[in-house]
Amino acid sequence: SAVISQKPSRDICQRGTSLTIQCQVDSQVTMMFWYRQQPGQSLTLIATANQGSEATYESGFVIDKFPISRPNLTFSTLTVSNMSPEDSSIYLCSVEPFTGNNEQFFGPGTRLTVL
Amino acid sequence: AQRVTQPEKLLSVFKGAPVELKCNYSYSGSPELFWYVQYSRQRLQLLLRHISRESIKGFTADLNKGETSFHLKKPFAQEEDSAMYYCALSGGATNKLIFGTGTLLAIQP
Repeated sequence: SAVISQKPSRDICQRGTSLTIQCQVDSQVTMMFWYRQQPGQSLTLIATANQGSEATYESGFVIDKFPISRPNLTFSTLTVSNMSPEDSSIYLCSVEPFTGNNEQFFGPGTRLTVL
Repeated sequence: AQRVTQPEKLLSVFKGAPVELKCNYSYSGSPELFWYVQYSRQRLQLLLRHISRESIKGFTADLNKGETSFHLKKPFAQEEDSAMYYCALSGGATNKLIFGTGTLLAIQP
């Protein structure tokens, strides 16, 4: 398994500002993903964070709004840029270790409220 | 289109009664199906996956390709089973997960 931490655990931000969320894993992993869970809804994949190259974004999500970094095999950041109240969500990081069995482990999430 | 459907937002059953959480999927290839669970104040975690064909905490799920279903079952519900359950599928080279909307399972004493 993999132990994942996220910072911050929650934040309240003003409209128009940006927030960077960090995801740290206790071991090297092959894949890292960022999901969003809007209030009362399911998890939606934002992007796959690729080590050493640009992230792969899902339909409806763009790099200018959600820039992602992955400088190494244990760390990634997601920035929510120019925030609006519609960005209020839980943002989750997940990882897939090098076991090759497609199992993903999830972080505790970051609860973001935009006023 | 790839999609996972969980028709029930809330399922309430009495302790000791059987449980069935429904999941249907739409996928053009051969997906891998999962059930994830989130207990109160805990993070999302994998409960079981179809390729393992194992029982976890008394839960089982069989992939029915004809009906494109992956329903989660348990013969006798326990109070500690109360949680949010998400069905998910993974397919293709990227292993990204597509989640259903989730079912809140509430076990009544």
